[in-house]
Amino acid sequence: LAKTTQPISMDSYEGQEVNITCSHNNIATNDYITWYQQFPSQGPRFIIQGYKTKVTNEVASLFIPADRKSSTLSLPRVSLSDTAVYYCLVDPLNTGFQKLVFGTGTRLLVSP
Amino acid sequence: DTEVTQTPKHLVMGMTNKKSLKCEQHMGHRAMYWYKQKAKKPPELMFVYSYEKLSINESVPSRFSPECPNSSLLNLHLHALQPEDSALYLCASSQGTGKNTEAFFGQGTRLTVV
Repeated sequence: LAKTTQPISMDSYEGQEVNITCSHNNIATNDYITWYQQFPSQGPRFIIQGYKTKVTNEVASLFIPADRKSSTLSLPRVSLSDTAVYYCLVDPLNTGFQKLVFGTGTRLLVSP
Repeated sequence: DTEVTQTPKHLVMGMTNKKSLKCEQHMGHRAMYWYKQKAKKPPELMFVYSYEKLSINESVPSRFSPECPNSSLLNLHLHALQPEDSALYLCASSQGTGKNTEAFFGQGTRLTVV
């Protein structure tokens, strides 16, 4: 299972773009990268998933370079409600069972 | 229905009690998971039931035992717990394999062992 490394915490202000990077040097060919968001005392919530290049949905973008050894979650124009912990997970999805193992995560604090 | 339902939401139990946590999903998912989460820590995977096969985190003590009566239900039986087992217990489900697999989490059971 590929190990992930993220910054422990990040601070931002409302309206700014936030980029959270995750390092996964041992990522395997069949691994996908998935990001989850968690608020206190709630279960994590899926944000976005990708394999390579760029993926965008209504809440975030995910940038994955060609070597796939890292990925960056981009949150455009954050608000106070984006204050949460963000987790990057790596799992083999097409050929293996999803293991859903969480790393330490990044605690994002958005201030007014 | 994209919900994972966990009951109860809160549980207080003594160290000699036996209790069970329940998790239910109706999305046809073939994988279900139990996690333990302490304050300001990431969820720690305890058990995975994937296609009727159980995978165990070797570090989970035997006072926790999962049970999967059918593909929609996953129970966690608790007995002789310790105060350090107090935590938020989260259940999740997913397709388990395949492209674009999103996992859905329940709201958790807040367990206090006294």
